[in-house]
Amino acid sequence: QQQVKQSPQSLIVQKGGISIINCAYENTAFDYFPWYQQFPGKGPALLIAIRPDVSEKKEGRFTISFNKSAKQFSLHIMDSQPGDSATYFCAASRGSSYKLIFGSGTRLLVRP
Amino acid sequence: DAGVIQSPRHEVTEMGQEVTLRCKPISGHNSLFWYRQTMMRGLELLIYFNNNVPIDDSGMPEDRFSAKMPNASFSTLKIQPSEPRDSAVYFCASSLWRSQATDTQYFGPGTRLTVL
Repeated sequence: QQQVKQSPQSLIVQKGGISIINCAYENTAFDYFPWYQQFPGKGPALLIAIRPDVSEKKEGRFTISFNKSAKQFSLHIMDSQPGDSATYFCAASRGSSYKLIFGSGTRLLVRP
Repeated sequence: DAGVIQSPRHEVTEMGQEVTLRCKPISGHNSLFWYRQTMMRGLELLIYFNNNVPIDDSGMPEDRFSAKMPNASFSTLKIQPSEPRDSAVYFCASSLWRSQATDTQYFGPGTRLTVL
């Protein structure tokens, strides 16, 4: 029940294309869903986050879509750029808990 | 603004040796996390401190691992004795925890540990 399942494991997209990464969770008590971006040799950094009172959140080229009934959320990267090549982690947390449950990560490669 | 600072960035040691990893959280943050990242197991939370007190150490793999936070600006993760299976990247993260909601965790650059 504590798991967050992330797919795909890896993704290759052409420059200008749309990258889509999906996550699913079981625990209906989760109410905070961040996405972290990690470049090689760096620590993960918060990219964008959503709470279940909205179905979508957009920040620039990055959008989170949230489907509460399906217990799924996804990250969409529009107009993908080579600089977006990184590993992306979804995560989930419950209430005011400190504990983030991370997905297994998706390695994104955007080809020029 | 200085982010989370970790040292050393790389550590190579031999099996059986003691290893100490260090972390300086972001000033003003009251929560500190130690994570381990491996290809096989992904990002694992090892231990969590709030206001310098260990709250959850359920992720610490075994007694060889210990962590301390003597003050708000410094924490250590110690492995004694180290084993090859401890080879991983260890991250420290900090956040400003408030009772109302989960807050952003800011990660350091990590320490890449190799145990030969």
